[in-house]
Amino acid sequence: DIQMTQSPASLSASPEEIVTITCQASQDIGNWLAWYQQKPGKSPQLLIYSATSLADGIPSRFSGSRSGTQYSLKISRLQVEDTGIYYCLQRYSNPWTFGGGTKLELK
Amino acid sequence: EVQLVESGGGLVQPGRSMKLSCAASGFTFSNYGMAWVRQAPTKGLEWVATISYDGSSTYYRDSVKGRFTISRDNAKSTLYLQMNSLRSEDTATYYCTRGTGNFDYWGQGVMVTVSS
Repeated sequence: DIQMTQSPASLSASPEEIVTITCQASQDIGNWLAWYQQKPGKSPQLLIYSATSLADGIPSRFSGSRSGTQYSLKISRLQVEDTGIYYCLQRYSNPWTFGGGTKLELK
Repeated sequence: EVQLVESGGGLVQPGRSMKLSCAASGFTFSNYGMAWVRQAPTKGLEWVATISYDGSSTYYRDSVKGRFTISRDNAKSTLYLQMNSLRSEDTATYYCTRGTGNFDYWGQGVMVTVSS
C-alpha cells in the first residue's frame, strides 16, 4: 500500500498568515493527489484535485503544489473559517489512502 | 444542487449485518462512480469501497473484502453498502461520496456502532 505521511500533525497560526501542509508519498503517485478540509462536525470538502487544480467554489487563497513525491497545500491570508482538519488523499492505486490529517487552529 | 443522503446506520452486535443506503439527487447518478469512506470516532478518514458508474467494477480495502459489498441501483439513484460479519473495528461514521478519487461531494454521514 502507498503510505501518505502528512505533516505537521497540528499547527496554530494567526489570521492573515501563510501556512503550508505537506504530504510525502511512499512512492510515485504522479498528480493523483487531492486535498480535503473537514470542519468540526462536518463532512470533508474537496479543496484541490490533481495536485494543483482548485475545486469549484474554493477561494483562491488555497493552492496546491508538487515536488517529486512531496505535495503541499498552501493557505495564504489565513481566515478564521479555515479552522479544521486537512487531509491529503492519493488515488494512484488501490487502496486509496489518506494522510493522517493536520489540525489547523487559529490563534 | 447535488445531495447525498445516507441512511441505515445504528447499533449492531458483532457478527451481525447491516445495510447502508445513499440516496443521490441533483446530478445524473448513472454517470458517476461512487464510493464509501469511513471515519472511526476521533480518527482520520479511511477509504472503504468504490464502484464504477455502471456497477461493473468494484474495489475494496483488504480489511472489508469478503465481508462488505458495494452496489448501486441506477434506476433509483441509490448506492448501497451491505456489511456482514461486522466487527468492533468497523465502528465509524460512513460517508457516501461521489467520484472514484476526486470525491467532490459527500453526504452528511451515518454512524455505525458495532457493540454487544
